[in-house]
Amino acid sequence: DGGITQSPKYLFRKEGQNVTLSCEQNLNHDAMYWYRQDPGQGLRLIYYSQIVNDFQKGDIAEGYSVSREKKESFPLTVTSAQKNPTAFYLCASSIGGQGTEAFFGQGTRLTVV
Amino acid sequence: AQKVTQAQTEISVVEKEDVTLDCVYETRDTTYYLFWYKQPPSGELVFLIRRNSFDEQNEISGRYSWNFQKSTSSFNFTITASQVVDSAVYFCALSGEYNQGGKLIFGQGTELSVKP
Repeated sequence: DGGITQSPKYLFRKEGQNVTLSCEQNLNHDAMYWYRQDPGQGLRLIYYSQIVNDFQKGDIAEGYSVSREKKESFPLTVTSAQKNPTAFYLCASSIGGQGTEAFFGQGTRLTVV
Repeated sequence: AQKVTQAQTEISVVEKEDVTLDCVYETRDTTYYLFWYKQPPSGELVFLIRRNSFDEQNEISGRYSWNFQKSTSSFNFTITASQVVDSAVYFCALSGEYNQGGKLIFGQGTELSVKP
């Protein structure tokens, strides 16, 4: 079935460590996105990519990095510079273009221990 | 600036009641898109509806209906005869004129609890 796969579902990070969250899609979508969700808040955009080998910062990019080497994959690295990384991370994709709906993965819950 | 406000943080109803989730948005764009997503306990967001700024027709899909009013900058969502399976967090979102699809401004979400 077509869809977006995020892994792992749960991730624990020690202070000072970098961790990478995986996002893979087989929908043949050009655009991919990373959002962060905190309790009681809506989703906030971290990074997005409209085509391979290109990506732009969203509203809260500090402490995060991404790559887009393949159309299907858009991994997110949470670096040690991110001071409050504990959150729920959602990856999404869309065909691109104005007003197209986004399809979301099931998320990764990251906890700093 | 663009903003989406969902003033209702939590709503609790008994099964078969009707419930309306409010969404108010701000944008200066002439062309924009509004969305509703459902987030069940599993975590992923499920797309429910999209509306563009030029289409103010109300939409009905089964027990779901949406009321878009540009005059009040609102895009409210009504569930008729609610069911326990409707329990979820619901998000309203906005995509502006120059935003590619998927680049969304989300409201804070409304957590709906439907009790049997």
